[in-house]
Amino acid sequence: EDKVVQSPLSLVVHEGDTVTLNCSYEVTNFRSLLWYKQEKKAPTFLFMLTSSGIEKKSGRLSSILDKKELFSILNITATQTGDSAVYLCAAVPYNQGGKLIFGQGTELSVKP
Amino acid sequence: GAGVSQSPSNKVTEKGKDVELRCDPISGHTALYWYRQSLGQGLEFLIYFQGNSAPDKSGLPSDRFSAERTGGSVSTLTIQRTQQEDSAVYLCASSWTGQGVDEQYFGPGTRLTVT
Repeated sequence: EDKVVQSPLSLVVHEGDTVTLNCSYEVTNFRSLLWYKQEKKAPTFLFMLTSSGIEKKSGRLSSILDKKELFSILNITATQTGDSAVYLCAAVPYNQGGKLIFGQGTELSVKP
Repeated sequence: GAGVSQSPSNKVTEKGKDVELRCDPISGHTALYWYRQSLGQGLEFLIYFQGNSAPDKSGLPSDRFSAERTGGSVSTLTIQRTQQEDSAVYLCASSWTGQGVDEQYFGPGTRLTVT
């Protein structure tokens, strides 16, 4: 059965800290991995990763995929209170219409 | 342009009643997905549509759940004879292709509470 596991499940840091969120996957016919940020309601898209070893960056956020070891990390540097959210990773298998297989999420709380 | 919209935003219903949840995807998106998020859980895939067809219904938890999509646009998820374990946030998403090469855009969800 396809599975995505995130760690830690929750994390509390102070503003300015750097955090690393982990996502491992076991997915038959893996195509890509996506990261989303969920604050109150709708998850918002952060990154899509399809190739190993190529870092994607957006401001203070970055992410990389390792297809040999079957994991991805999401880094957030110089955290701010606005980064507080649940971070979701999801794997996309080939030939299944693009459906997302989600991990449980990591709840990040950034304290002032 | 407008994003994915869902209605109602909240629904409280009595056990045993039927409910209908609606999703309006982004105009032009051919693929539409339904997910469920139970308290403290990640998102669980329910069903997806390519146009008006549903090639994958594998995530529907029981035959009380059904969904349809008309005109390649609006979708409704129907839950018959609701049970307390159906309480969750139901999220809809849409994407351009349904090929897994583009991101899915999510709606704000419908919070369903079965009393």
